[in-house]
Amino acid sequence: DAGVIQSPRHEVTEMGQEVTLRCKPISGHDYLFWYRQTMMRGLELLIYFNNNVPIDDSGMPEDRFSAKMPNASFSTLKIQPSEPRDSAVYFCASSVAGVILGEQYFGPGTRLTVT
Amino acid sequence: ELKVEQNPLFLSMQEGKNYTIYCNYSTTSDRLYWYRQDPGKSLESLFVLLSNGAVKQEGRLMASLDTKARLSTLHITAAVHDLSATYFCAGEPTTSGTYKYIFGTGTRLKVLA
Repeated sequence: DAGVIQSPRHEVTEMGQEVTLRCKPISGHDYLFWYRQTMMRGLELLIYFNNNVPIDDSGMPEDRFSAKMPNASFSTLKIQPSEPRDSAVYFCASSVAGVILGEQYFGPGTRLTVT
Repeated sequence: ELKVEQNPLFLSMQEGKNYTIYCNYSTTSDRLYWYRQDPGKSLESLFVLLSNGAVKQEGRLMASLDTKARLSTLHITAAVHDLSATYFCAGEPTTSGTYKYIFGTGTRLKVLA
């Protein structure tokens, strides 16, 4: 398996622009997680899905952030409008229920820079 | 709400030395995970600890879990430069019923030759 795939790997945009980050989970995994990593705040869980349904979005910082999972093999995280403080590395991870380990597999991340 | 604390935050050690990273968590946690992150890279799973007294070892790293003390440790034996990375522990709240992680702050390890 190719693992979790994220695109783009790097994104540089200007403040106020819309940004869309994409994630393809590992095939067969039914949980998908979006994280944000910064030096100041560490790793933060933004939102997670189970069987394409959002379960907990309490980590989404504000209404400018939205996430969707239209099918089992694709998810997006959108920021509109973007702000410089959104600059971070965004990770997507997936896992599979029913397996006791509950191990999450992380994608390579998208490094977002908002100028 | 589950909180996870790691210490130390930074660790610089000589090759060949032993050291332990500590991970304390505030409430009951079903499972405890350890991850490694190299600079500019993603997170790689190291260990999954499922129950009290669990001990896992891989090479020079050994992880253990004491649920009564709400403590997990990652022990490094005879450190080598290749172990330089940031190590994260993550707990999974017992009440979550899912695989939702709460991550610690990370321990940045630098092994000096």
